[in-house]
Amino acid sequence: TQLLEQSPQFLSIQEGENLTVYCNSSSVFSSLQWYRQEPGEGPVLLVTVVTGGEVKKLKRLTFQFGDARKDSSLHITAAQPGDTGLYLCAGARSNTGKLIFGQGTTLQVKP
Amino acid sequence: GAVVSQHPSRVICKSGTSVKIECRSLDFQATTMFWYRQFPKKSLMLMATSNEGSKATYEQGVEKDKFLINHASLTLSTLTVTSAHPEDSSFYICSAIKGAATYNEQFFGPGTRLTVL
Repeated sequence: TQLLEQSPQFLSIQEGENLTVYCNSSSVFSSLQWYRQEPGEGPVLLVTVVTGGEVKKLKRLTFQFGDARKDSSLHITAAQPGDTGLYLCAGARSNTGKLIFGQGTTLQVKP
Repeated sequence: GAVVSQHPSRVICKSGTSVKIECRSLDFQATTMFWYRQFPKKSLMLMATSNEGSKATYEQGVEKDKFLINHASLTLSTLTVTSAHPEDSSFYICSAIKGAATYNEQFFGPGTRLTVL
């Protein structure tokens, strides 16, 4: 059973297009992180959201945490080829430090 | 900062040998580190939680006698793959929590590509 459903799993778009990645769960998370990973490297933390309804912006990336803290979304405006990579959402349900990862979204932005 | 390093970045070994992978937190102390395994274009699969000064906690289905974890200091955790076989070939990534795990933010190493011939 996948506790954190991430969609879509694959996305190929043209430079300049907008896109949204979703992470959904039936469970409540105390916090949720978004990571970006490039091939052959480790994931890099993009943002942490902790409050229901919270919205955070990182340049062209907008992250939102659902009001009930069960879901989150990542919206990229005017995607660039440099945005290409694997995007991972990860939710925390306890203070053990463990994270529950979504399946990941492989994004390809074509010039 | 929160920098985590891994060594080696790539390793090729023969079937039946053991391989040790090191994970270091370079600019902070980490009482808790994690070891993950990742298959191509897939998400991270948690193998075990490494706690400084105590035994590691393994996820269901992970053989603790095959994947030995030692967290001897606040900046170093090691993963030893014993009697490696081709099916152990994978990308292994460690992470560490900086400070209190208030928001469960993990900082990841660059990964180690293991190839078992």
